[in-house]
Amino acid sequence: ELKVEQNPLFLSMQEGKNYTIYCNYSTTSDRLYWYRQDPGKSLESLFVLLSNGAVKQEGRLMASLDTKARLSTLHITAAVHDLSATYFCAVDKETSGSRLTFGEGTQLTVNP
Amino acid sequence: DTEVTQTPKHLVMGMTNKKSLKCEQHMGHRAMYWYKQKAKKPPELMFVYSYEKLSINESVPSRFSPECPNSSLLNLHLHALQPEDSALYLCASSLGSLGSGYTFGSGTRLTVV
Repeated sequence: ELKVEQNPLFLSMQEGKNYTIYCNYSTTSDRLYWYRQDPGKSLESLFVLLSNGAVKQEGRLMASLDTKARLSTLHITAAVHDLSATYFCAVDKETSGSRLTFGEGTQLTVNP
Repeated sequence: DTEVTQTPKHLVMGMTNKKSLKCEQHMGHRAMYWYKQKAKKPPELMFVYSYEKLSINESVPSRFSPECPNSSLLNLHLHALQPEDSALYLCASSLGSLGSGYTFGSGTRLTVV
């Protein structure tokens, strides 16, 4: 069974600071996804990582993938209040019917 | 069109009611999904349709009945729900091929009274 673990689950940080969210998964995976969710809203796709060593950046967020360590990171640079949200990583496998398995989510609060 | 459209956005229903949730996409995606999400929890997969056929049912109670009338539409029929079924119901679609990603709808906020 594919399991996905995120840490930390709760993160309170100050504006302007940097931090990293970690995502570990239990078995080999075809794809790694990062999503953002605002309270009461749907999931917004941030990044799709397909191969070992993949790195993608969008604004203050950068995601990377190490398939050998089964680890993905989401790095936040110079946080701003607008980044406050819950961030999920998710993985899927073609052989299991392209089903997404989500981590528990990291609830990020950026304080002024 | 790059969206997954879900209706209604909000639904309040009694435990004896029958209602349906609707999901529509016109991106040519061949896989469609229903997820259930409780507050402060990750989405949980309920059903997967691939090429209009049910391919995954995650042991969901029979009071939830999915239907895929065609490749663009996905319904979730609800009957005799319980208050604990109150949640955000998310529909998603994908091409189904490697790296194609998933597109999520805005969700239906369901409250069972």
